Amino acid sequence: AQSVAQPEDQVNVAEGNPLTVKCTYSVSGNPYLFWYVQYPNRGLQFLLKYITGDNLVKGSYGFEAEFNKSQTSFHLKKPSALVSDSALYFCAVRDNEAAGNKLTFGGGTRVLVKP
Amino acid sequence: GAGVSQSPSNKVTEKGKDVELRCDPISGHTALYWYRQSLGQGLEFLIYFQGNSAPDKSGLPSDRFSAERTGGSVSTLTIQRTQQEDSAVYLCASSLMGLAGTTDTQYFGPGTRLTVL
Repeated sequence: AQSVAQPEDQVNVAEGNPLTVKCTYSVSGNPYLFWYVQYPNRGLQFLLKYITGDNLVKGSYGFEAEFNKSQTSFHLKKPSALVSDSALYFCAVRDNEAAGNKLTFGGGTRVLVKP
Repeated sequence: GAGVSQSPSNKVTEKGKDVELRCDPISGHTALYWYRQSLGQGLEFLIYFQGNSAPDKSGLPSDRFSAERTGGSVSTLTIQRTQQEDSAVYLCASSLMGLAGTTDTQYFGPGTRLTVL
């Protein structure tokens, strides 16, 4: 079975400060990990993914995420947050040994960047 | 290029009625997925189509839910005898191939917001 946890329902940060959104996962095999962002009344937009290789993954809009196998984590980071980064963020995992191709999502973390 | 499109964007129906939700995947994508986003359940997988293979229906919550994909492109999710707990945003996604073991990214449409009165 595969599962994802996002321990924070909401993260508040001042504009210009670093932003971190936490994600931990559980899979039987090796994980494929994804981050998506959702703006109000919009679908999910892909930010970045980890498949293999370098543990630091860079994605869209200046976001990056670090894969940590020992801690089973894949935290999303941005060095300097913008007000426009305020949105709902979802971490997702797929177990590479599981049949099918479905993603399992975390509960989401709402990010509020204050000016 | 064009992304995943879904219609209608909003649907309000009465309890007991049937509804059909449509998804047009990205051109050239052979895999198509339906997810449901609701307040109580978060984002949950419903069904997955890959090429001509039998769909993975493991996420469908009841036999009132069904989906088909015609011609390997457009998909329709049908909910029969709708209940209030079916109220949610239904999201469709597509990916290039979606074969088991691949790493394709799933790209999502804007969703259909279903409200069952």
